[in-house]
Amino acid sequence: AQTVTQSQPEMSVQEAETVTLSCTYDTSESDYYLFWYKQPPSRQMILVIRQEAYKQQNATENRFSVNFQKAAKSFSLKISDSQLGDAAMYFCACRSGSARQLTFGSGTQLTVLP
Amino acid sequence: EPEVTQTPSHQVTQMGQEVILRCVPISNHLYFYWYRQILGQKVEFLVSFYNNEISEKSEIFDDQFSVERPDGSNFTLKIRSTKLEDSAMYFCASSVSSGGGAGNEQFFGPGTRLTVL
Repeated sequence: AQTVTQSQPEMSVQEAETVTLSCTYDTSESDYYLFWYKQPPSRQMILVIRQEAYKQQNATENRFSVNFQKAAKSFSLKISDSQLGDAAMYFCACRSGSARQLTFGSGTQLTVLP
Repeated sequence: EPEVTQTPSHQVTQMGQEVILRCVPISNHLYFYWYRQILGQKVEFLVSFYNNEISEKSEIFDDQFSVERPDGSNFTLKIRSTKLEDSAMYFCASSVSSGGGAGNEQFFGPGTRLTVL
């Protein structure tokens, strides 16, 4: 069984600033994938960034990057140069290599202040 | 860009009634999923479906629930005899594959809000 914990129910950031969203996970699998999904208000979840556990290098996608600390089972999301359109609920999720289901955290509501 | 669509966006039903939630996955995807999110709680996995069979299901997915791909495009979740605690947002998702690599990314629909009175 896997668990994913997001300890920050809400975060806010000033436009153009940087914010980091925290996520910790627990899994007994050695092969797994980690994801950050973004859910804007009244819209579907979209994938922001993914990380394969076997890769040591942290994933980056434009202004989004992760800090993957495998030993600590930590997977934080950094958003640089925050924009108003980044305001959304952000979900951290984990999927083991042998399973298809995603296990989600409880989400962090990000507000971007102009 | 192709998207997963779901209908209806909001369904209100009386306790004990049957409901069918509909999803149209992305056309070249082979794996289909249902998740639900009770208000204020985490998104929870219900079931995955591949090659016209359930491939995984959670403890939540009991005999009250069933899934079907009645034709080449739709993927449905049926809830028989709905209960008050079935009130939730139900999300459909699809993916090209389930293995490693980018193909296992799950694309989500906008959800159906089910309210059981």
